[in-house]
Amino acid sequence: GAGVSQSPSNKVTEKGKDVELRCDPISGHTALYWYRQSLGQGLEFLIYFQGNSAPDKSGLPSDRFSAERTGGSVSTLTIQRTQQEDSAVYLCASSLGPFSYNEQFFGPGTRLTVL
Amino acid sequence: GDSVTQMEGPVTLSEEAFLTINCTYTATGYPSLFWYVQYPGEGLQLLLKATKADDKGSNKGFEATYRKETTSFHLEKGSVQVSDSAVYFCALSFGGGSTLGRLYFGRGTQLTVWP
Repeated sequence: GAGVSQSPSNKVTEKGKDVELRCDPISGHTALYWYRQSLGQGLEFLIYFQGNSAPDKSGLPSDRFSAERTGGSVSTLTIQRTQQEDSAVYLCASSLGPFSYNEQFFGPGTRLTVL
Repeated sequence: GDSVTQMEGPVTLSEEAFLTINCTYTATGYPSLFWYVQYPGEGLQLLLKATKADDKGSNKGFEATYRKETTSFHLEKGSVQVSDSAVYFCALSFGGGSTLGRLYFGRGTQLTVWP
């Protein structure tokens, strides 16, 4: 079946603009995660959804970052007033559940460049 | 805090050479341990995992043993191939608590195998 998909694959924006990144998880996967991959920080956790709720949003770096999930499916990560340090690859992953034995399947990522 | 440290790369080997990539962790509980791989132009994918002490994860000729006494999970392969060229990430997650399911990643090790 289809894997995790993300859109857009690339996004170039100007500093100060808002951006929305989309994640379509594997059908039936209740857990959804956002991570960020950057040269300076490696792979960092951002937020975790179980269904439409976000029990762990401790990785969001500032209040400019927010995320939502609707219908237990699609998730959107929004970055307001983008800064150059937001440039990174944003990865989405989904799994059947949140437990460590549930494999997380990753999407191809969205490469965000803030000029 | 909880973290993963893995050997810095890049690692360059000739085909059929023996591979070891070191990984150690710091954790307050009893995590599950993972190796993820990112092939050029592809998304992150799970290579192998171990969920308790002394477990050995294996896949595609790669192996890693969960060593609680040394808090390590070193990745090994007896004979690497050109197709193993990729970035390898060590990671951990917990099966419960406030950080349920989230992955803590090491910085990644770039492996290049020459024919």
